[in-house]
Amino acid sequence: GAGVSQSPRYKVAKRGQDVALRCDPISGHVSLFWYQQALGQGPEFLTYFQNEAQLDKSGLPSDRFFAERPEGSVSTLKIQRTQQEDSAVYLCAIGPLLPNEQYFGPGTRLTVT
Amino acid sequence: AQRVTQPEKLLSVFKGAPVELKCNYSYSGSPELFWYVQYSRQRLQLLLRHISRESIKGFTADLNKGETSFHLKKPFAQEEDSAMYYCALSGGGAQKLVFGQGTRLTINP
Repeated sequence: GAGVSQSPRYKVAKRGQDVALRCDPISGHVSLFWYQQALGQGPEFLTYFQNEAQLDKSGLPSDRFFAERPEGSVSTLKIQRTQQEDSAVYLCAIGPLLPNEQYFGPGTRLTVT
Repeated sequence: AQRVTQPEKLLSVFKGAPVELKCNYSYSGSPELFWYVQYSRQRLQLLLRHISRESIKGFTADLNKGETSFHLKKPFAQEEDSAMYYCALSGGGAQKLVFGQGTRLTINP
């Protein structure tokens, strides 16, 4: 069945540190999305993979953000030299279960101090 | 530009009262509209989508292209409806979702 796990669930980083956030779809899905959700806001699109191909990275806020999905399954979102404004919940979603429907993971809450 | 606006950040109603969560969108083509819900300590999950025209947990939403709205309605609110509600759209072949900022619905006993 559909499912996606994310790790770690919580991450505290000091400003300037690099972090890596993992998304692990339980069953194979072609599409994988990353979203950033700042406090009090709705999720905002970061990037989209179809299998291993990154087809849209228009939402990545800066070149400090990098995402990969080398084998078309697990994906990693990496943030270099973290800044306080990077503090947010990072959501991974897979799809489509139905046309344009996405199934969201539990998210990783990143706090940059 | 694609945009979703949810004008109410907070909405509080009494149990048994009708509830309406407003959503307006901006999109040049024919988007698909969704409502997602996040209950306390749970993941974001799909509540309903406009193309299915179904009622989920007593909620319905009608797409009004003339007013570019997709308001979520329920005639009799229940305490378990308390949650964050997000309106979202998807357009063209991009498949990415554009979300509103969300409305926190609180149902008072």
